[in-house]
Formats: sequence, structure tokens, C-alpha cells
Amino acid sequence: KAGVTQTPRYLIKTRGQQVTLSCSPISGHRSVSWYQQTPGQGLQFLFEYFSETQRNKGNFPGRFSGRQFSNSRSEMNVSTLELGDSALYLCASSMGLLFDLNEQFFGPGTRLTVL
Amino acid sequence: AQTVTQSQPEMSVQEAETVTLSCTYDTSENNYYLFWYKQPPSRQMILVIRQEAYKQQNATENRFSVNFQKAAKSFSLKISDSQLGDTAMYFCAFMKHTGANSKLTFGKGITLSVRP
Repeated sequence: KAGVTQTPRYLIKTRGQQVTLSCSPISGHRSVSWYQQTPGQGLQFLFEYFSETQRNKGNFPGRFSGRQFSNSRSEMNVSTLELGDSALYLCASSMGLLFDLNEQFFGPGTRLTVL
Repeated sequence: AQTVTQSQPEMSVQEAETVTLSCTYDTSENNYYLFWYKQPPSRQMILVIRQEAYKQQNATENRFSVNFQKAAKSFSLKISDSQLGDTAMYFCAFMKHTGANSKLTFGKGITLSVRP
């Protein structure tokens, strides 16, 4: 069974641009969660999508948005990029919702650098 | 708001020895879950062990076990018979047991190095 895949793996953007990251969950998984990992702030939860609906959201500004498609693939968009958005963005998939204690399987991440 | 604190940024242990990673958390919730995640140098994070707060018995998964002290809000991870493959960053995480806004809150992580 293929694991969680994220594309692209590396990305370089400049301030003010926008970016879209993609996550393909494990086959059969319906929940996708996104996380931002930085040396300063550590790992922070962005949001969770289940059945094409955002179910939970972390404390990030509205510049961070996401969506989920009918095949459970998810995209995350960051608009008006700032230097502080440079991070490793991880996505994780699970069979069901996080609060039902479904185990999450993480992807390798997308390394975003904002210049 | 919940907070998770991992006060030790780095630890080192000799192969085959035992090491304990510390984690404390702060919450007013009574029902919640606690997790330890491992992130090896390849960056793919995996779940090591989890504990439901309502369970008094400490969780165990092979060489990994936890010491859950609910009153003290402490959740340490013990790795027995350390192996080179245990070298990784370890994150402690908290999640409250309600449907609304059930998100994972992570500690800053601890880098564990296993020496041959």
C-alpha cells in the first residue's frame, strides 16, 4: 500500500506570492491534516479535512487555506507569502477523524522557502 | 489553551541502554489523549505510542513504554534496549477528547542520539 505522498518536495517562492501544496493520502483514508514545522515554533496544527469539509482548524491567519477533493486528496494554499512562512509542511492521513483516535500516517513533507 | 513542554532539547544514550524522555503538559480538560511521535532523519513522522487519560494503566509498545502521571500532568517515554534506529526527534503531543477543535498540540521536540 502506497504511503502518504506530498508534492512538490521542495519549493522556493518570494514574498507576496502564493503557493499550493498537494497531499495524496493513503488509499481508503478520508481524513487529511496539515502541519507546519519550523525550528522556532516547532510543529503546529493547521487544519483537518474529512469528507471534503474542514473539521478542525489551528491558530493560523486566513492566508492559510485548504480544501479536500472527493478522492480525499487535499491541497493547502498560502497567499501573500511572508518570510516567516518558510517551513516544512507536513500532511498526515487517517481512516477517520483525529478525535476518534485514528492513527495518522505522515508524508515526507514539502520544504517551502520564502525569499 | 493546552501547552506541551519538552524541556530537554537533546539527549544521548548508549546502544542497548535505557533512556527516558520527559514531557509535561498543561490543561484544564479531564478527558484527553497523549502521544509520542518519532521523526527520524528521513523526516517521515510515525506514531510511537499513545495513552488515553482515563486509563490508569501505562501504555506499552514493545521497547517503548510511558509513565503517565495524570495529577502531575507528566507523560514520559521510556525506551529500553536503545537501538541505533531510535535516533530521531521525538515529539510529545496532546489532544483533547471532544469533537470540536480536536487538534494535536505538540511539544518542541527532543533530539535523541543513540551512540554505538
